[in-house]
Amino acid sequence: DVKVTQSSRYLVKRTGEKVFLECVQDMDHENMFWYRQDPGLGLRLIYFSYDVKMKEKGDIPEGYSVSREKKERFSLILESASTNQTSMYLCASSSQTSSFPYEQYFGPGTRLTVT
Amino acid sequence: LAKTTQPISMDSYEGQEVNITCSHNNIATNDYITWYQQFPSQGPRFIIQGYKTKVTNEVASLFIPADRKSSTLSLPRVSLSDTAVYYCLVGDMFSGGYNKLIFGAGTRLAVHP
Repeated sequence: DVKVTQSSRYLVKRTGEKVFLECVQDMDHENMFWYRQDPGLGLRLIYFSYDVKMKEKGDIPEGYSVSREKKERFSLILESASTNQTSMYLCASSSQTSSFPYEQYFGPGTRLTVT
Repeated sequence: LAKTTQPISMDSYEGQEVNITCSHNNIATNDYITWYQQFPSQGPRFIIQGYKTKVTNEVASLFIPADRKSSTLSLPRVSLSDTAVYYCLVGDMFSGGYNKLIFGAGTRLAVHP
């Protein structure tokens, strides 16, 4: 079974802190994604990566950065956390061999609260 | 940009067939249409994917008309465990590369005894 794990299920941070969200997948997938999910807005793509050290902006990259130093790991960084970044963050991975938009495997999510 | 529209919520009873439709304009010509299921406190889970006509797997069917402006997820004989939120996912025809994934807002399905 494909497994995507996220470093924390719940996280509480203060405004202005630098926040790191880690995601690891064990299926040797090329693609990895970070989404945020908010009530009424559904899932919105923040960043994605299709290869090590490669990254592309999604729909809402402002206030976020990412890092992919190894194929299995994709990190989301909130440079200076703000209250409007309180949300559920979901990581996903997919193989490039499936049909676009790919069968994505999601982690359990990290519920981040910024106070 | 592509836009998707799904009903916000639906109610059903155990044993019934449920059809959830997602309307989507301006979707990329060569991309598939994908549906996901999400339970509370979990990430979405892939259900089914299709390009045209009808696709069936062990859990659902997907109907896509020739114009591909909508897709209908069909869940046969639902049970209480099918209570979840269902999302459609398409690709936007005006965006290039990977930056064109558009998730629907989700349909909350409640299955009653």
